[in-house]
Amino acid sequence: QVQLMESGGGVVQPGTSLRLSCTASGFTFSDHAMHWVRQAPGKGLEGVATVWYDGSNEYYAESVRGRFIISRDNSKNMVHLQMNSLTGDDTGVYYCTRDSNVLTGYYDYWGQGTLVIVSS
Amino acid sequence: DIQMTQSPSTLSADVGGRVTISCRASQNIRSRLAWYQQTPGKAPKLLVYKASSLESGVPSRFSGSESGTEFTLTISSLQPEDFATYFCQQYNNYPWTFGQGTKVDVK
Repeated sequence: QVQLMESGGGVVQPGTSLRLSCTASGFTFSDHAMHWVRQAPGKGLEGVATVWYDGSNEYYAESVRGRFIISRDNSKNMVHLQMNSLTGDDTGVYYCTRDSNVLTGYYDYWGQGTLVIVSS
Repeated sequence: DIQMTQSPSTLSADVGGRVTISCRASQNIRSRLAWYQQTPGKAPKLLVYKASSLESGVPSRFSGSESGTEFTLTISSLQPEDFATYFCQQYNNYPWTFGQGTKVDVK
């Protein structure tokens, strides 16, 4: 069965960096684009970053462009989110999600999420 | 960016009742709309994609429909496990955007 397991969340100070990772299993990883979606406490959902199935292209939300970098390692079935220059607005649960195909734009599987708190 | 406007924000209903949630796109999204269900403390779950296609394993009491830029999620007979928050999402234009959510609670 498809499983997505996030790791790397925690409490960090503003201006610092954090790297999230997601380990995938149960499907052919290289056949799917992968995404990170976040949810601020008590708020809605925001797509943060997308990496194509082969890692050849990335998309970023305007709110994180220039600060976050998404990458993937198809040999290890992993996707990462490098988050730099963090601010309080980046606080929330970060979900690793699978695209339904090479790149359709909707998310058919979600991890359980990892919590990031940016606070001094 | 395409704006997705959901209504209502909160909806109170009885078990067995019929529930309708609306989502309006600010421009044509060519049926590229998904619906998700989220229960407290859990990750969202895909219910519907392409406006009206039911994801595998989702009960048939859920259905999606569209009329132009207006989209609807209907639950024909609300079950106890359906009390949750529902989000729509367009995936026609990047950035893919979500509605603000509709919470379905007990009447």
